[in-house]
Amino acid sequence: QSVLTQPPSVSAAPGQKVTISCSGSTSNIGNNYVSWYQQLPGTAPKLLIHDNNKRPSGIPDRFSGSKSGTTATLGITGLQTGDEADYYCGTWDSSLKVGGFGGGTKLTVL
Amino acid sequence: EVQLLESGGGLVQPGGSLRLSCAASGFTFSTYAMSWVRQAPGRGLEWVSSISGSGGSPYYADSVKGRFTISRDNSKNTLFLHMYSLSAEDTAMYYCAKGPERGRFDYWGQGTLVPVSS
Repeated sequence: QSVLTQPPSVSAAPGQKVTISCSGSTSNIGNNYVSWYQQLPGTAPKLLIHDNNKRPSGIPDRFSGSKSGTTATLGITGLQTGDEADYYCGTWDSSLKVGGFGGGTKLTVL
Repeated sequence: EVQLLESGGGLVQPGGSLRLSCAASGFTFSTYAMSWVRQAPGRGLEWVSSISGSGGSPYYADSVKGRFTISRDNSKNTLFLHMYSLSAEDTAMYYCAKGPERGRFDYWGQGTLVPVSS
């Protein structure tokens, strides 16, 4: 089982908006930063969001992140077929010194 | 440009051992923590192990503790993962990742595949 809980799949039409939730506990999400990763088919994961809501250079502002309590959310607006991928939330427990990921959410752009 | 290049994967029999390597370039290697993350076929990401920039502080997932050893050679900008007593449950793509840095893994290698089978 994964440390963090994500829905297995989400879908939406091109141009629409979708959100992906990531649920944890006080010991992981509640007291630590959350990151989001995009894994396109057959490729390595890529950092999408860090520090709960910050985008690395080169990531379009269609992607956004937020956190409230023990739940983090990834938002994607203006969906494109190229956004079809698996999305993972992740965190690092700075007290226990362990990493953790959600089970992943498969995004389908219909 | 940050580059991480894993090597050392390959078919190994149950109970066997393997050493993975990750050659890093494009950043000051000794300054950053480094990690291994694995992904079993058709499954999600699983954090395996991390090590501080100096190499003095290794951390492990419970699933590999006592069987895997992470290390690094800062003079050669290389990260290692020594894996022992391998079982079918260790079959996965193993990714080298830079971090955690404020909780994030900001660069990933392309992965090296480790099938464990007789």
